[in-house]
Amino acid sequence: NAGVTQTPKFRILKIGQSMTLQCTQDMNHNYMYWYRQDPGMGLKLIYYSVGAGITDKGEVPNGYNVSRSTTEDFPLRLELAAPSQTSVYFCASSLLTPSYEQYFGPGTRLTVT
Amino acid sequence: RKEVEQDPGPFNVPEGATVAFNCTYSNSASQSFFWYRQDCRKEPKLLMSVYSSGNEDGRFTAQLNRASQYISLLIRDSKLSDSATYLCVVNGVDSSYKLIFGSGTRLLVRP
Repeated sequence: NAGVTQTPKFRILKIGQSMTLQCTQDMNHNYMYWYRQDPGMGLKLIYYSVGAGITDKGEVPNGYNVSRSTTEDFPLRLELAAPSQTSVYFCASSLLTPSYEQYFGPGTRLTVT
Repeated sequence: RKEVEQDPGPFNVPEGATVAFNCTYSNSASQSFFWYRQDCRKEPKLLMSVYSSGNEDGRFTAQLNRASQYISLLIRDSKLSDSATYLCVVNGVDSSYKLIFGSGTRLLVRP
C-alpha cells in the first residue's frame, strides 16, 4: 500500500491564481481530512469527509473547496490564492472516526506571493 | 486560552536521559487523547494513544490526568532518533470528527 499520497510536493502561486491539491489513499478509509500547518503552529482542520459524496467544513474553510466523488480521492481547491494561504497542507485519512489513528500524506508546501 | 497547550521547547537532552513533556487541554469533556510525532518537514505520525489508566510502549509512557486536564509523555533512555517534535492531540467535543493539535514540543537529543 502506498498509504496517503499528495501532489504536488511544492508549489509557488501568484496572488489570485487557483490550484488543486490532490490527495489519494489506497487503504479504503472512509474518513479523509485536509489540514494546514503554519510555522510553529498546530494543524488546523480545513475540511473533512466521512465518505464519498459527503464533505463538511472544519475550523478554517474560507478560501477553499473540496469534493469527494470516490472513496480514494479528496482534492482541495484553492480559489483566488492569497498570501495568508502560504502554508504546508496535509491530507489524512482514518478507517473510522478521528478517535482512531489518522494516516497523513507527505504534505504540499505552498507559497503564495 | 488555547484548546491544547504545550511548551514549545526545545528540550535539549543527552542520549540516555529521561525527558517528560506535559500538555494541557481546555475542554473537560474531551475523550480521546494522543501523542503524534513529527520529524522536521515531514508528516505527523501516531506515536501512541493515551488511555485513562496510563499506558506504556517500550521506552515511552503516556499518562492522563483528567482532574487537572493534562497529558504527559515520558521518554526513557533517549536516543538520537527520538529528536523530533511531539504533538499533543485531543478530540474536539463540538464535533466528533475534529482533532485539536497542539503546536508541539521540540526535542533535541545530543550525543
